[in-house]
Amino acid sequence: QLQLQESGSGLVKPSQTLSLTCAVSGGSISSGGYSWSWIRQPPGKGLEWIGNIYHSGSTYSNPSLRSRVTISVDRSKNQFSLKLTSVTAADTAVYSCARRPCGGDCYSPNNWFDPWGQGTLVTVSS
Amino acid sequence: QSVLTQPPSVSGAPGQRVTISCTGSSSNIGAGYDVHWYQQLPGTAPKLLIYGNSDRPSGVPDRFSGSKSGTSASLAITGLQAEDEADYYCQSYDSSLSGWVFGGGTKLTVL
Repeated sequence: QLQLQESGSGLVKPSQTLSLTCAVSGGSISSGGYSWSWIRQPPGKGLEWIGNIYHSGSTYSNPSLRSRVTISVDRSKNQFSLKLTSVTAADTAVYSCARRPCGGDCYSPNNWFDPWGQGTLVTVSS
Repeated sequence: QSVLTQPPSVSGAPGQRVTISCTGSSSNIGAGYDVHWYQQLPGTAPKLLIYGNSDRPSGVPDRFSGSKSGTSASLAITGLQAEDEADYYCQSYDSSLSGWVFGGGTKLTVL
């Protein structure tokens, strides 16, 4: 059974860079048929999609965050990562990683997120 | 303010039927994009409950069902059980925002 586990710094200072990693176990991140995503949830607020990385290595991010987001993959470690630059208090959230089954088209807007990692709280504060 | 609108809370007694609505617009649900539903039990990761508007992943009881019409979607839960107490989120794609969007979540309380 595929499992995802987020890790990284739980406390980041304003204007610095948030860095998180999602370790994939129970399956290979390099197997075709899936893309991989980051999603966050600020305290007391709804879920916000951050971005996807596809099997090709290409990425697609939320336009509202695009200028600050980098998503990358390390196939040798079976993990993918998120970097968010110039963080502010508004970036305080539980950050989760998830897999997106492709079905017939990895770029389809109709794909869903399954499964999800447990999530990790990142607080932006000086 | 989430792009997809859900009621903040719903409740029902054991054995009853409840529905959770998810209201969107012409750039997401109304544009024909699929709606998916997730269940988040306290302290756990969200779990896929319904995909493609009305399909259930294996292992999800048939007490859970989804539907979509126009710019809205609904999740129905029949034969309510105490273990169904959780937060429920809908999700779709929005062409105006060029990305995937979620509802604000609905807390289900089993009385």
